[in-house]
Amino acid sequence: DADVTQTPRNRITKTGKRIMLECSQTKGHDRMYWYRQDPGLGLRLIYYSFDVKDINKGEISDGYSVSRQAQAKFSLSLESAIPNQTALYFCATSRQGGDGNEQFFGPGTRLTVL
Amino acid sequence: QKEVEQNSGPLSVPEGAIASLNCTYSDRGSQSFFWYRQYSGKSPELIMFIYSNGDKEDGRFTAQLNKASQYVSLLIRDSQPSDSATYLCAVNNRGGSQGNLIFGKGTKLSVKP
Repeated sequence: DADVTQTPRNRITKTGKRIMLECSQTKGHDRMYWYRQDPGLGLRLIYYSFDVKDINKGEISDGYSVSRQAQAKFSLSLESAIPNQTALYFCATSRQGGDGNEQFFGPGTRLTVL
Repeated sequence: QKEVEQNSGPLSVPEGAIASLNCTYSDRGSQSFFWYRQYSGKSPELIMFIYSNGDKEDGRFTAQLNKASQYVSLLIRDSQPSDSATYLCAVNNRGGSQGNLIFGKGTKLSVKP
C-alpha cells in the first residue's frame, strides 16, 4: 500500500464550487505539506503543518485553507474555486529531524476548474 | 527571496552518455540538498541527498556539492531512456520555517536511444 495517499486523483469542477482535497499517510511522519505544480512554475508551497496544532501559510496560501484532522490526515480546501487554481496538487510528508527534511510525495490530484 | 535556479532544458543526451544537471541556490546558510526525479504526470521521487562538500555516489548517480560557490549538481552515468524525466533540485530553508524545502523549477532530461 502507498505510504502517502491523496483523494481524489482527478477532479473537474466549476467556478465558485467548494472543493476539498484529502491526504493521508501511514509513514508516521509529523510534518505534512501541500504544494501545487504548474507548468513552468515548479512546485509552490501552499500550507504546511509541523504537527496537529501547528498550521502555517506557505508561499501561495490565498484562496486556500487547510485542516490537520490528525497526525495522519491533512486536507486542503478551495472555498470558492477559480480557473487559475487549475493545477496538479501534491501532498508531502517528512519527519522531524529526518535526513535534512527529506519529503515524500503522494501521487497527486489533478484539479481542473472550469 | 530565497531562490533555487535550474536550467529548464530540455537537456538531450544520447544513451550511454553522462548527463550533467546543475543547480544554484541563493541562501548561503542552506545545509541540505536534494535531487528529485519526476516523470510526466507523476509525483517527485527522491534520488539523492547531500549535506557535505564533495561528491556522493549512489549507483549511476553522483551528487556534487560546492557550498562556497552555492552550487549543486547531479551526474547520471550510462544514461538510459528510462532516465528521461524532469529533475528537481531542492534546498532546505533555514529560515523560520526550518523543515521546508525550496524547489527549483526543474530540468527536463531526454535520453535518446
